Amino acid sequence: DAGITQSPRHKVTETGTPVTLRCHQTENHRYMYWYRQDPGHGLRLIHYSYGVKDTDKGEVSDGYSVSRSKTEDFLLTLESATSSQTSVYFCAISESSFPGYTFGSGTRLTVV
Amino acid sequence: TQLLEQSPQFLSIQEGENLTVYCNSSSVFSSLQWYRQEPGEGPVLLVTVVTGGEVKKLKRLTFQFGDARKDSSLHITAAQPGDTGLYLCALINFGNEKLTFGTGTRLTIIP
Repeated sequence: DAGITQSPRHKVTETGTPVTLRCHQTENHRYMYWYRQDPGHGLRLIHYSYGVKDTDKGEVSDGYSVSRSKTEDFLLTLESATSSQTSVYFCAISESSFPGYTFGSGTRLTVV
Repeated sequence: TQLLEQSPQFLSIQEGENLTVYCNSSSVFSSLQWYRQEPGEGPVLLVTVVTGGEVKKLKRLTFQFGDARKDSSLHITAAQPGDTGLYLCALINFGNEKLTFGTGTRLTIIP
């Protein structure tokens, strides 16, 4: 009944390897977002989508790509993971800014 | 880039005490939301404030939107251990579906 799920919840990967994180929603919301959360920086927007195959960059998009081939799935790919991409990644969904975003439980990614 | 600063960054108080945390923007914004995040989970929306000077209450939590639409505060009365968490404010700009988040206030209530 969560409405939004992220997978995996935890991942450890090596520098230089590609990594894909998945966000799945059952709410049929139009908008989907990927954020990263780091100490001292709060939540920063990586990429977002406003519909199937419609995506755009956020403030920290370098090194990341996204895809949305279906309404319910939004994938975040790190093409070649670096240690600076060690973070907690959150997906969020919304129909509009009101009443607000619903967040997933996050994926903790460690790049070694 | 619109900056959103929250203060204090950390706050630790005894159960039963009152507290206020602040959210300040470098410029005017359309509206603002407050979220609370618990360890290992994503943020959860508490409230949206839209009108300058608006005050909203959610049980022991009182949210205020500044008259000039550049700041907001969250006041908690008689804090409980269950109030422990990271409190995030996020601003919304006109015609923009994206939220900009502050860095958060990490609140610890000591039983």
